[in-house]
Amino acid sequence: DIQMTQAPSTLSASVGDRVTITCRASQSINIWLAWFQQKPGKAPKLLIQKASSLQRGVPSRFSGSGSGTEFTLTISSLQPDDFATYYCQQYSDDSRTFGQGTNVEIK
Amino acid sequence: EVQLVESGGGLVQPGGSLRLSCAASGLSFISHAMNWVRQAPGKGLEWVSSISGSGDYTYYADSVKGRFTISRDNSRNTLSLQMNSLRAEDTAVYYCAKADCDSGVCRLMDYWGQGTLVTVSS
Repeated sequence: DIQMTQAPSTLSASVGDRVTITCRASQSINIWLAWFQQKPGKAPKLLIQKASSLQRGVPSRFSGSGSGTEFTLTISSLQPDDFATYYCQQYSDDSRTFGQGTNVEIK
Repeated sequence: EVQLVESGGGLVQPGGSLRLSCAASGLSFISHAMNWVRQAPGKGLEWVSSISGSGDYTYYADSVKGRFTISRDNSRNTLSLQMNSLRAEDTAVYYCAKADCDSGVCRLMDYWGQGTLVTVSS
């Protein structure tokens, strides 16, 4: 199975900060990578698909990049609503594995 | 608007069985593969199982293979997960999620339900 490794596990930041989360795949997944945002007690919400395609309605301060095995999620200016846990997920093969998550917390 | 509503969760003893359901609306149900994803308390997301739109193809995580069975009733727009031989490590919130297709790849999970909690404990 393809393993997905996210870094960091926890990120402390302030409103207005630029935030970057990385996700590494154990083998090439082309661009078949999604990013999800999850708030406590809620279902995950799809933010980005195909590594860099923003879902409709997702603020433009979110962006994704990468291909192959290295990917990043960037929030250009962190807003109060963005404090949450973020997961990457590969959908290149049937194992559909998730990263372990990155908790973005208030500094 | 796509809506997915899970039901059937609860408390079950180790070795017991439980059947989860997911009622779908706002979509052409038969046109979409569907998934179950779970999240243990305080932990990350784990894909559990998927089924094609026709129901002809099913896929399982190694952790549940042979114990869980995914199925669907396209006449009732309902997805199900039959869980047998349950273990404490199966305790989790179980989400159903719709799959979207792109360039023949139909594994992106674009809409999720709110989840149903399964607790396996004596």
